[in-house]
Amino acid sequence: QVQLVESGGGLVKPGGSLRLSCAASGFTFSDYYMSWIRQAPGKGLEWVSYISKSANTIQYADSVKGRFIISRDDAKNSLYLQMNSLRAEDTAVYYCARETYRYGSRNYCDHWGQGTLVTVSS
Amino acid sequence: DIVMTQSPDSLAVSLGERATINCNSSQSVLYSSTNKNYLSWYQQKPGQPLKLLIYWASTRESGVPDRFSGSGSGTDFTLTISSLQAEDAAVYFCHQYYSNLWTFGQGTRVEIK
Repeated sequence: QVQLVESGGGLVKPGGSLRLSCAASGFTFSDYYMSWIRQAPGKGLEWVSYISKSANTIQYADSVKGRFIISRDDAKNSLYLQMNSLRAEDTAVYYCARETYRYGSRNYCDHWGQGTLVTVSS
Repeated sequence: DIVMTQSPDSLAVSLGERATINCNSSQSVLYSSTNKNYLSWYQQKPGQPLKLLIYWASTRESGVPDRFSGSGSGTDFTLTISSLQAEDAAVYFCHQYYSNLWTFGQGTRVEIK
């Protein structure tokens, strides 16, 4: 069955860096677009970034552009999020999610991980 | 960005009764070339991955009980739980994928009365 397992979260000081990983299994990882989506404590969901198959296309939310870098390693069935210049408002649970793709565009996420908590605090 | 607004923020429903959650988008998410509404619904329970319930506004994901249904078009959508079960207590989110800059509703908490 499809499994997505995030890791790498933790406590980091403002201005610091953290690298999140998402290990995928149960499907052909290289065939899918992937996203990172976050949820601040007690808040709603915020899409952060996506990466296409073969990493040809990448996009970021304005809130993280220039600070976060999404990448993938298809040989390791893994998705990554390098987070730099972290701010208090980046505190959230970060989820990786598998996207569907039909009619020439990205669609809904059909599988999500359980998330990893990132806390940015001094 | 397309703003997604859900109502109510929370609701308490008796077991076996109907629960209705509304979702409004700030612009239409109906794509004319496909005639599909680019909207999905998710269920979130503590300690569990988010679960896809509905996509294309009204298509139920495989394995989702048929008491869950989605309706609406353009800018106004509804998720209905026809006969609430105890395991349906959760937070529900709508999501638009019409724009590449995905956005979600703020969530609606469903509790058992």
